[in-house]
Amino acid sequence: GQQVMQIPQYQHVQEGEDFTTYCNSSTTLSNIQWYKQRPGGHPVFLIQLVKSGEVKKQKRLTFQFGEAKKNSSLHITATQTTDVGTYFCAGHRSNDYKLSFGAGTTVTVRA
Amino acid sequence: ETGVTQSPTHLIKTRGQQVTLRCSSQSGHNTVSWYQQALGQGPQFIFQYYREEENGRGNFPPRFSGLQFPNYSSELNVNALELDDSALYLCASSPGRGGLGYEQYFGPGTRLTVT
Repeated sequence: GQQVMQIPQYQHVQEGEDFTTYCNSSTTLSNIQWYKQRPGGHPVFLIQLVKSGEVKKQKRLTFQFGEAKKNSSLHITATQTTDVGTYFCAGHRSNDYKLSFGAGTTVTVRA
Repeated sequence: ETGVTQSPTHLIKTRGQQVTLRCSSQSGHNTVSWYQQALGQGPQFIFQYYREEENGRGNFPPRFSGLQFPNYSSELNVNALELDDSALYLCASSPGRGGLGYEQYFGPGTRLTVT
């Protein structure tokens, strides 16, 4: 079955530094979505990428969808304490209503 | 605009019992999906309902069942509870058929503990 993997599992970042988290699928995806879950909270939608090679930016966050539509990345610049939480990628296979999530990257920030 | 709501927020059950969790979707959303999130893991798709019909199912046994009502609210039923069923159960609504390609709006979840 489809598997979505994320690395690293944990990311400890000094405030102000940049980091990248990666998402890889065993199968081609029709889209990739990213969600953020704060401690004790629920996942909140950040963005969706649909096109091969697509890049989208949200302030300090840059999202990329790979050319083969099997991988994605999230890059955060100048990390702030508000970036604390777990970032999940999730994707659909073509015409499959099942949204498959990765295990997430949990980010902690040192002030 | 009312967001996704779930009830109850917490629940403690004994192994072998049955449980019903409830979800009210966001206004205007006709698709509801249920997920199980174990501690430290990503949400795992249980099933999805579109206009009162099951629209897709993940790798969960038949003792996990659901319903969607005409107002698009939904229930998740779990029979013969096992210890491994202890998790956060998330409901998510989305617009459009099956939610394919649409963002999921998650509720706060129900924390189920099975002892």
